[in-house]
Amino acid sequence: EAQVTQNPRYLITVTGKKLTVTCSQNMNHEYMSWYRQDPGLGLRQIYYSMNVEVTDKGDVPEGYKVSRKEKRNFPLILESPSPNQTSLYFCASRRGPYTEAFFGQGTRLTVV
Amino acid sequence: KQEVTQIPAALSVPEGENLVLNCSFTDSAIYNLQWFRQDPGKGLTSLLLIQSSQREQTSGRLNASLDKSSGRSTLYIAASQPGDSATYLCAVRPDMGYSTLTFGKGTMLLVSP
Repeated sequence: EAQVTQNPRYLITVTGKKLTVTCSQNMNHEYMSWYRQDPGLGLRQIYYSMNVEVTDKGDVPEGYKVSRKEKRNFPLILESPSPNQTSLYFCASRRGPYTEAFFGQGTRLTVV
Repeated sequence: KQEVTQIPAALSVPEGENLVLNCSFTDSAIYNLQWFRQDPGKGLTSLLLIQSSQREQTSGRLNASLDKSSGRSTLYIAASQPGDSATYLCAVRPDMGYSTLTFGKGTMLLVSP
């Protein structure tokens, strides 16, 4: 089954403790992105990647890092999480620049 | 900067009704528009992708229309069912700078039996 898989689905952590949210897709897609969703603000892009070793900032990149060492994986790294990064995070992938986007199930992160 | 607005924010209808969800965008320079549904705890599911050159796209009981010049799209749901209850999001991709989708805040739909 074609899918985008995120892990973990739920995470509660403390301020300053480094964490990684993993994202993997099995569709051989070139493009991958991370979004966060907040009440009243909707979904906003954090980072995106156009291919292996090619990444760029989205609209809200502060406090986040990404890497794309393999085509199928695009982890999101929070090196020093803060409470304002409490949010629902989505990973997405698509085959080409203008093709249909597919989203993962989401990761609900709480930073206390 | 592109802004996407969805009206109404919430909608409650009895089962069997046909309904229309609205999406408007401020910048008509889009390449395509995508409709999603979001179920609690289940992420976003792609419903329809409509290219800027298209006027309509259909999938089952769903029909999406696009009027690029006026900055509007509608999602028509025929014969609504309780299983259609979800939040519906529209998102546009610009025709230049394709990196991001700009999302509306969604319409929360409740279909009661």
